[in-house]
Amino acid sequence: DSGVTQTPKHLITATGQRVTLRCSPRSGDLSVYWYQQSLDQGLQFLIQYYNGEERAKGNILERFSAQQFPDLHSELNLSSLELGDSALYFCASSFQGGSNYGYTFGSGTRLTVV
Amino acid sequence: DAKTTQPPSMDCAEGRAANLPCNHSTISGNEYVYWYRQIHSQGPQYIIHGLKNNETNEMASLIITEDRKSSTLILPHATLRDTAVYYCIVRVASGSRLTFGEGTQLTVNP
Repeated sequence: DSGVTQTPKHLITATGQRVTLRCSPRSGDLSVYWYQQSLDQGLQFLIQYYNGEERAKGNILERFSAQQFPDLHSELNLSSLELGDSALYFCASSFQGGSNYGYTFGSGTRLTVV
Repeated sequence: DAKTTQPPSMDCAEGRAANLPCNHSTISGNEYVYWYRQIHSQGPQYIIHGLKNNETNEMASLIITEDRKSSTLILPHATLRDTAVYYCIVRVASGSRLTFGEGTQLTVNP
């Protein structure tokens, strides 16, 4: 157990629907990062939050949004889902925005859009 | 962040040392070398990182060349559970994101 908790582990939904993925960071970590891993694209950085504020944005679609709450957990919202959104979604956390000690990743949420 | 180049795949016999190379010829003076691995569909796992000195921990050793343009991750006694994709990432310590490339698929054979 890495200390980063992601729920749900698996999610199957239909095209056009909206889903919410949840991430609880490791205790004491202030930063949360979201990554998407599709079969043909590898790990892609989506977005980072630090202590409740957006810190950096990657290749995140406009249909996707995220937020970090006062208790530091984060949610990634995916709307108007398409077949191509099927992927593993990983959350990672670190103590600071630019921790020298790297990130701790969760076990991921596998999203299947049918 | 500097770009890295890794071989797409490598094989290693169980019990032998696995030496995974990484080229990062455009690395800047304030950039660290990080290694992560991802066992099939699991979340990436931090292994080790270093700036210019060689580093060792309970998982692996990191050897960085004097000019810092390349490095080698060494798993001293590879086991079947070390079969994974290994990512070499170069990043400033205060950088906000880890940028993953293609990595090296290491297969440890019995």
